[in-house]
Amino acid sequence: DGGITQSPKYLFRKEGQNVTLSCEQNLNHDAMYWYRQDPGQGLRLIYYSQIVNDFQKGDIAEGYSVSREKKESFPLTVTSAQKNPTAFYLCASSWDRSYNEQFFGPGTRLTVL
Amino acid sequence: LAKTTQPISMDSYEGQEVNITCSHNNIATNDYITWYQQFPSQGPRFIIQGYKTKVTNEVASLFIPADRKSSTLSLPRVSLSDTAVYYCLVARPYSSASKIIFGSGTRLSIRP
Repeated sequence: DGGITQSPKYLFRKEGQNVTLSCEQNLNHDAMYWYRQDPGQGLRLIYYSQIVNDFQKGDIAEGYSVSREKKESFPLTVTSAQKNPTAFYLCASSWDRSYNEQFFGPGTRLTVL
Repeated sequence: LAKTTQPISMDSYEGQEVNITCSHNNIATNDYITWYQQFPSQGPRFIIQGYKTKVTNEVASLFIPADRKSSTLSLPRVSLSDTAVYYCLVARPYSSASKIIFGSGTRLSIRP
């Protein structure tokens, strides 16, 4: 089965700790994206990557970091610098920058205690 | 950057046709219109995409008038499972991902 997997589904962290969210895709897509969604709100773009070893900041990159060492993987680290990290995090991928269709993972709900 | 405006919420009943309109007055020549559906605690799912006139697939139809300043997503004979948030996006191919804006969407509630 092709698709995007995110793990874990639920994540709890203590304030001041860094945490890494996993995103893996086996769709052979070049482009990958990370979004944040707060309750009742739309999606906001954190980071995106159009190709391996390259990534760009989105609208709300402060307090987050990413890497793209492999085509299949685009992990997101939520650092202690992120002031309000509790949210629903969504990873997506698309064939390329032509933006025909983004495929989304199931999401990770992060709660900071 | 084409800004979109959608109704915050809509209600309908099972078996009805539902039309959700999105306004995008400053759409550019090369922009496409895309609609996504999102269920609670899940990632959005692509529904349909179009450039002009009418596009239809097994799930929905998308109507785009000649001036392209608005578009209407039409869901035929909705069921309870169509209760979700629907997002309208406007973007051009090969634009920066930061130009792809998911607004707050339209929260559609279907009643028995």
